Amino acid sequence: DSGVTQTPKHLITATGQRVTLRCSPRSGDLSVYWYQQSLDQGLQFLIQYYNGEERAKGNILERFSAQQFPDLHSELNLSSLELGDSALYFCASSVGTSGSGEQYFGPGTRLTVT
Amino acid sequence: AQKITQTQPGMFVQEKEAVTLDCTYDTSDPSYGLFWYKQPSSGEMIFLIYQGSYDQQNATEGRYSLNFQKARKSANLVISASQLGDSAMYFCAMREGRRGFGNEKLTFGTGTRLTIIP
Repeated sequence: DSGVTQTPKHLITATGQRVTLRCSPRSGDLSVYWYQQSLDQGLQFLIQYYNGEERAKGNILERFSAQQFPDLHSELNLSSLELGDSALYFCASSVGTSGSGEQYFGPGTRLTVT
Repeated sequence: AQKITQTQPGMFVQEKEAVTLDCTYDTSDPSYGLFWYKQPSSGEMIFLIYQGSYDQQNATEGRYSLNFQKARKSANLVISASQLGDSAMYFCAMREGRRGFGNEKLTFGTGTRLTIIP
């Protein structure tokens, strides 16, 4: 158990809908990262938050948005869903900005868009 | 160019043998970090080992060691005395740049599926 929690574990929804994925980082970790894992794109970095502020942005679609709240949990919002958004979405966290910076991953949310 | 290249899509290894999973990387940044993660069939991503670009020694964590050859830009994972529970996908990843400057995203390779044969 990495200490990172993600809910829900599975999500099935229809095209055009909007969903929210939730992540709680490990205790003490200030950075939260979101990644998408799909068969065709592999593991792709989406976005990073550090202590409530956006720190880095990757291949995140405009239909997707995220935020990190004062209690450090984070949410990833996916809207106008398309079939191609079906993927495993991981949240990861790491401590501070020093050290090796290994990221600890949550169990993932498997999103299926039908 | 691919930042992280894992050329072995799949490997079969006899139980108790050592196994080497290949990873080459491409960066012009002198400061970077290299990571290996394990993804069992259950789907979670498990951190295994880390090597910093300025580290003089190869990293080791239990049965895992990282064969870091900086000049060749390779960071191969070595698993000694393989076990059935080692069967999983293994991903090599890189962080480019120094931490703390918004450079903390990880770029992953395509992975190697390792199967341990009893």
